[in-house]
Amino acid sequence: QITLKESGPTLVKPTQTLTVTCTFSGFSLTTNGAAVGWIRQPPGRALEWLALIYWDDDKRYSPSLKTRLTITKDTSRNQVVLSVTNMDPVDTATYYCVHSGGYGQGGLFDFWGQGTRVTVSS
Amino acid sequence: DIVMTQTPDSLTVSLGERATINCKSSQSILYSANTKNFLAWYQQKPGQPPKLLFYWASIRASGVPDRFSGSGSGTHFALTISSLQAEDVAVYYCQQYYTTPYTFGQGTKLEIK
Repeated sequence: QITLKESGPTLVKPTQTLTVTCTFSGFSLTTNGAAVGWIRQPPGRALEWLALIYWDDDKRYSPSLKTRLTITKDTSRNQVVLSVTNMDPVDTATYYCVHSGGYGQGGLFDFWGQGTRVTVSS
Repeated sequence: DIVMTQTPDSLTVSLGERATINCKSSQSILYSANTKNFLAWYQQKPGQPPKLLFYWASIRASGVPDRFSGSGSGTHFALTISSLQAEDVAVYYCQQYYTTPYTFGQGTKLEIK
């Protein structure tokens, strides 16, 4: 059974860097085809894909946020970390960790964490 | 970027009636080499993360009731609930995974009349 859980600060100040961690179980990020990504959802708004990291360390980023995002993995700890620099109030959102590749296709998100709510405010 | 547009934004349907949500992509998401449409549907109930309903436009994910169906090809897609149940109240999103950036529709809120 695949599970993912996000952790990180609930409140960050403008210009700070947000670091959120996804701890997962039920699969290995060393398995061919596996990937973990991040998607966010501002309050009352739609979903926005941010980043994806594959088993072979290939990384994909949203072009609109690419300069501010870094995604890394620690396969020994079953964790994926997303950093977002220069946070702004518009970055206030629930950040979801997602599993991808379960149907042999990256970008298809078959398991989701419960999300971690992040507010950007001074 | 591929823009995904859903219609309507909200929908009110009586219990037991049919509900249809449409999704249009700004370019074709049909990959000719394998004739697959790179389109997924998700259901998000209040206070919960989204749940995958369909992939390849019409393949039900595990555990999805058969009153749900997905259809369409190329740029036009639909999610249909044949007989609305109370537990189907949710926001529904389509998403293309044809190319990065992966993009979602704006969501359709489904309510009971």
